[in-house]
Amino acid sequence: SQQGEEDPQALSIQEGENATMNCSYKTSINNLQWYRQNSGRGLVHLILIRSNEREKHSGRLRVTLDTSKKSSSLLITASRAADTASYFCATDLYQGGSEKLVFGKGTKLTVNP
Amino acid sequence: DTEVTQTPKHLVMGMTNKKSLKCEQHMGHRAMYWYKQKAKKPPELMFVYSYEKLSINESVPSRFSPECPNSSLLNLHLHALQPEDSALYLCASRFRQDLSDTQYFGPGTRLTVL
Repeated sequence: SQQGEEDPQALSIQEGENATMNCSYKTSINNLQWYRQNSGRGLVHLILIRSNEREKHSGRLRVTLDTSKKSSSLLITASRAADTASYFCATDLYQGGSEKLVFGKGTKLTVNP
Repeated sequence: DTEVTQTPKHLVMGMTNKKSLKCEQHMGHRAMYWYKQKAKKPPELMFVYSYEKLSINESVPSRFSPECPNSSLLNLHLHALQPEDSALYLCASRFRQDLSDTQYFGPGTRLTVL
């Protein structure tokens, strides 16, 4: 079952605008990651934020984490048509002595030229 | 080489066929994963291999049989699949060191079961 839930499920914006996606999760985490997936392709790791971090930046990406609310947000600034993709948050979950990633439902972002 | 490769890219098979999906990475990662992804859904974990040993099996039906022949290769053997098994099958390897923790995904195999 998914641990993370993103909202919105779909987001359509114009090039140059900012895009914000949110993720909520249920159990305590060590870290939260964001991945991007172009249509029908593999996922690409974007950024990881640890449970003791509140904010992290990478280029045009800004991620925040609020462990008290069990939520995270991904902000893409000055969006481009090439940012069109699905974005997933993923949290680590320990199970049977092993660790796995559990993905949220994802936000489908469309950036219109 | 920071790439995970998967073959074939597309596969169409009948319900009585036996086929295999292949995944390869040469980054020295010792954890490898199989995921299944249906359209407009997130990836769902199927299997995890750690140091060539199966460490997680997410109650996957036995018609899916994973194999890890060595630290660079991961196979998924398919037999007697059902049409509902049609999906994108993704392989990933994991790198974890110090503050980094990243899964590297292959491009996937698009499987259609007729």
